Amino acid sequence: SQQGEEDPQALSIQEGENATMNCSYKTSINNLQWYRQNSGRGLVHLILIRSNEREKHSGRLRVTLDTSKKSSSLLITASRAADTASYFCATDARTGNQFYFGTGTSLTVIP
Amino acid sequence: NAGVTQTPKFQVLKTGQSMTLQCAQDMNHNSMYWYRQDPGMGLRLIYYSASEGTTDKGEVPNGYNVSRLNKREFSLRLESAAPSQTSVYFCASSGELAYLLGGTQYFGPGTRLTVL
Repeated sequence: SQQGEEDPQALSIQEGENATMNCSYKTSINNLQWYRQNSGRGLVHLILIRSNEREKHSGRLRVTLDTSKKSSSLLITASRAADTASYFCATDARTGNQFYFGTGTSLTVIP
Repeated sequence: NAGVTQTPKFQVLKTGQSMTLQCAQDMNHNSMYWYRQDPGMGLRLIYYSASEGTTDKGEVPNGYNVSRLNKREFSLRLESAAPSQTSVYFCASSGELAYLLGGTQYFGPGTRLTVL
């Protein structure tokens, strides 16, 4: 399966700290996306990084991609209680017809 | 602009019953998707529709059928529900096939289905 694997499965930090979560995948990709899911809600797109990019920023989010290691990381700086959610990476495949979602990292930000 | 809407929000079925999950989007998107989300499994693609009039199987299509009624609507049907189909079902849409162009998928709020 192309499914990504997020690490850690769960993360608990204090408000104001940075949160880092990682995603590893198995085969070559064109794009990798990160999504957030608040409890009981649908997923919301956060950021996309293409295979020829190494780093991308969006507000307090920083995403890196290392295609040689088949891994990506999502950094949330200066976390807030509202960042409490599950975070998923989604990878496509150079062949195939879909995005594959990982199992997610559950982030809890303690006020 | 409601985005992606799904009905119903909750449903309880008995084994063997059938039902249709409805999904509609108002963003004029070409592509639509049905996923299921199970604990510890992430989201898995059931079926997708690249454009009006076309549908294709995803990772876990067995036990499901879909209909792309028009550009706005994409329904998922369970003909004979089984307990293994207890899950949260999400519909999503994107402007073009997300995996081809790196497009953003927009998700609905989900349908929580329990099969007894």
